[in-house]
Amino acid sequence: GDSVTQTEGPVTLSEGTSLTVNCSYETKQYPTLFWYVQYPGEGPQLLFKVPKANEKGSNRGFEATYNKEATSFHLQKASVQESDSAVYYCALSDHSNTNKVVFGTGTRLQVLP
Amino acid sequence: GGIITQTPKFLIGQEGQKLTLKCQQNFNHDTMYWYRQDSGKGLRLIYYSITENDLQKGDLSEGYDASREKKSSFSLTVTSAQKNEMAVFLCASSIRGSGNTLYFGEGSRLIVV
Repeated sequence: GDSVTQTEGPVTLSEGTSLTVNCSYETKQYPTLFWYVQYPGEGPQLLFKVPKANEKGSNRGFEATYNKEATSFHLQKASVQESDSAVYYCALSDHSNTNKVVFGTGTRLQVLP
Repeated sequence: GGIITQTPKFLIGQEGQKLTLKCQQNFNHDTMYWYRQDSGKGLRLIYYSITENDLQKGDLSEGYDASREKKSSFSLTVTSAQKNEMAVFLCASSIRGSGNTLYFGEGSRLIVV
């Protein structure tokens, strides 16, 4: 079945440093890839999504490129802020009719001032 | 905009008890989901429903029942609560079809005493 593997957390960074959270996926279909973010006490919310291979998604300074050859969708940010502290989930939705969405295990990011 | 409302926010029950979580959405979305969130294991799909009166099993459906009473509501029942099932349960909804954004509620925490 479909699966998503991402960097195991927690990841602790100082404000102003760069972030990379690795995400790899497995599916027989041609998926849409997502990054969701979850702040304490809230449900996950969409950060951005990319439906097509070789395209880049971005939001709030975060970005990721859909790499079909490497089956990867790594999340990056050049300079993190304390307010970026949250749990980040990589996810995929295949293009069959199942409407099923598969999530990774999540990566907790803590940014220190 | 819309909102997903999960009730109750905290559900406390005894081992072996049947316990029910409820979810309401006013997005007018066709598809609804129940995920279980455990630390270190991410979001695992329990049940989803593509449309009213439809039910699809996820990867973690054993020990759970679900019911899609009407388009706006989706309930999840833990058939016999166990202490190792204490987790946060997240409800979500989306437009029907693949590649669409999921909108999540804030979660319900299950506590088994």
